[in-house]
Amino acid sequence: DTGVSQNPRHKITKRGQNVTFRCDPISEHNRLYWYRQTLGQGPEFLTYFQNEAQLEKSRLLSDRFSAERPKGSFSTLEIQRTEQGDSAMYLCASSLVDGPVKDEQFFGPGTRLTVL
Amino acid sequence: SQQGEEDPQALSIQEGENATMNCSYKTSINNLQWYRQNSGRGLVHLILIRSNEREKHSGRLRVTLDTSKKSSSLLITASRAADTASYFCATVGYSSASKIIFGSGTRLSIRP
Repeated sequence: DTGVSQNPRHKITKRGQNVTFRCDPISEHNRLYWYRQTLGQGPEFLTYFQNEAQLEKSRLLSDRFSAERPKGSFSTLEIQRTEQGDSAMYLCASSLVDGPVKDEQFFGPGTRLTVL
Repeated sequence: SQQGEEDPQALSIQEGENATMNCSYKTSINNLQWYRQNSGRGLVHLILIRSNEREKHSGRLRVTLDTSKKSSSLLITASRAADTASYFCATVGYSSASKIIFGSGTRLSIRP
């Protein structure tokens, strides 16, 4: 399967714990995006990378959130000191910078986080 | 904050009928996209229409864009049970590199 993959698919944690999610984009895609989706809502943009550079962060991304893409391939999203309000589906997407489908983002299946 | 607002929020139709969903947005866009999300699954890109286009087709899908009214519509013809899903319109502006802003979606149910 050459699509976007995310791990884990589900994560249950206790409030105050740290969690880390991983996203593996489509191999030739140089842009990688993180979104958060709560029940009944559309996804909300969190941050994006072009290669290894983090170029934009949403105001939704508090200091407890950090994302990396160290070698311009996979990315991790870490949430420190989780709160119940962090419970959501975290989606990763990737895209190309150029070409006929450059604005089309390919989404992974998401990681569902539940904070108890 | 979400840029697009879909209308209706929920739609239930008989299999075989056509389904029309509308989307309105607030600021100038580079392009508008429609995505589908099945229950518990990821988002699937359906179609992209650029700001200089007025209509686009893909299989049973027809999308229109009216930039003067800041609105778009998605028509699904000859609906099938497998079309049951949430449909989101999503806009991409000029200032950010393909950052997508999603609406809150239309939940479409196809009755057999």
